[in-house]
Amino acid sequence: GAGVSQSPRYKVAKRGQDVALRCDPISGHVSLFWYQQALGQGPEFLTYFQNEAQLDKSGLPSDRFFAERPEGSVSTLKIQRTQQEDSAVYLCASSFSSRRGFHQPQHFGDGTRLSIL
Amino acid sequence: GQQVMQIPQYQHVQEGEDFTTYCNSSTTLSNIQWYKQRPGGHPVFLIQLVKSGEVKKQKRLTFQFGEAKKNSSLHITATQTTDVGTYFCAGGMDSSYKLIFGSGTRLLVRP
Repeated sequence: GAGVSQSPRYKVAKRGQDVALRCDPISGHVSLFWYQQALGQGPEFLTYFQNEAQLDKSGLPSDRFFAERPEGSVSTLKIQRTQQEDSAVYLCASSFSSRRGFHQPQHFGDGTRLSIL
Repeated sequence: GQQVMQIPQYQHVQEGEDFTTYCNSSTTLSNIQWYKQRPGGHPVFLIQLVKSGEVKKQKRLTFQFGEAKKNSSLHITATQTTDVGTYFCAGGMDSSYKLIFGSGTRLLVRP
């Protein structure tokens, strides 16, 4: 496809369940970012991949959050033992290769709206 | 930690009025990017500023990067209903791969 694709668009889970969110970036984009966006707030950085390497995971809120990109294309964000405070929109963005201090424009997917009951 | 503050939080204008949103960083930025998010949509890249004091224009939109590379502004002349949305600034730093987003300014335009 032409853009970043995320699935599912909506996910409802019970507290304590595990969830997995998928991101399919634009073909050829080396850099992939995950963000968490709360209602009325800006996207908050979670983690960054360059190809299959996770170069920055400083934004992951706890060890319940785990992300991978094993073949350097599709990425999965996994949240274990979900809590109500995990409810948010999770955005994925991709770009041509970014490096420290040099940030390419990011192309965002439509996000996954996660609701924890 | 590193923060990017953005004001105002909301702005409600009459169509045809001007609009400005301001962004301020606690640390020097290597570059700043601006994004627009329509209601129910995802952020869409508008522009990137890299040089100290840089000014860029896109039709009715004017973007500025401060001399100290710590602040930026977006000005829209003669707003239209199609300008409705939330405008975010996002700052990048020399030591980091990530962008730090401001909390956004939500623009509402009365027709």
